[in-house]
Amino acid sequence: KQEVTQIPAALSVPEGENLVLNCSFTDSAIYNLQWFRQDPGKGLTSLLLIQSSQREQTSGRLNASLDKSSGRSTLYIAASQPGDSATYLCAVRPNYGGATNKLIFGTGTLLAVQP
Amino acid sequence: GAGVSQSPSNKVTEKGKDVELRCDPISGHTALYWYRQSLGQGLEFLIYFQGNSAPDKSGLPSDRFSAERTGGSVSTLTIQRTQQEDSAVYLCASTRGGGGTGELFFGEGSRLTVL
Repeated sequence: KQEVTQIPAALSVPEGENLVLNCSFTDSAIYNLQWFRQDPGKGLTSLLLIQSSQREQTSGRLNASLDKSSGRSTLYIAASQPGDSATYLCAVRPNYGGATNKLIFGTGTLLAVQP
Repeated sequence: GAGVSQSPSNKVTEKGKDVELRCDPISGHTALYWYRQSLGQGLEFLIYFQGNSAPDKSGLPSDRFSAERTGGSVSTLTIQRTQQEDSAVYLCASTRGGGGTGELFFGEGSRLTVL
């Protein structure tokens, strides 16, 4: 059974710092992995989607890497800003002889960037 | 619309009543998902629709839960005889990727409170 873990559960950093959020999954048979952010009381906003054949994806100050064999993904945020404060979620789509219908989500990392 | 639209944004109901939650996916997206996010819990898959195929209902927690998708677009999630444990945020997502494996876009959610 695929399980997704995110460490740390919460993180507080001063503005301007570069930071890394971690996501690990127990089964390397994945189709893709997606990172989201969720602001309080809001839905999920997609940040980056990495296909299983890819090693990384970049969007602005965000860079996500994927090491499928070790079951790990990291989300790197450069020059953090108070507006980056949110909960960050990763989700994997298992691949059991074909992509499955459901994403498996981690429980998230709550990030606070202090001005 | 430009994004996934959900209504109502908030619903307070009494135990035992039926509720309907609506989702209008992004135009052109053939796959639609319902997830549930309970307080302090991760996202829980409920149901998946892809085109005209039979839906994947494997995540529905009980037979009080049902969903339909009319005309391959708008979806309605119905909860009958609501219980307090049904209180949660119900999130809808859609994707355009082949077989529903592309990037997921979420709505803002419907917050259900059962008194």
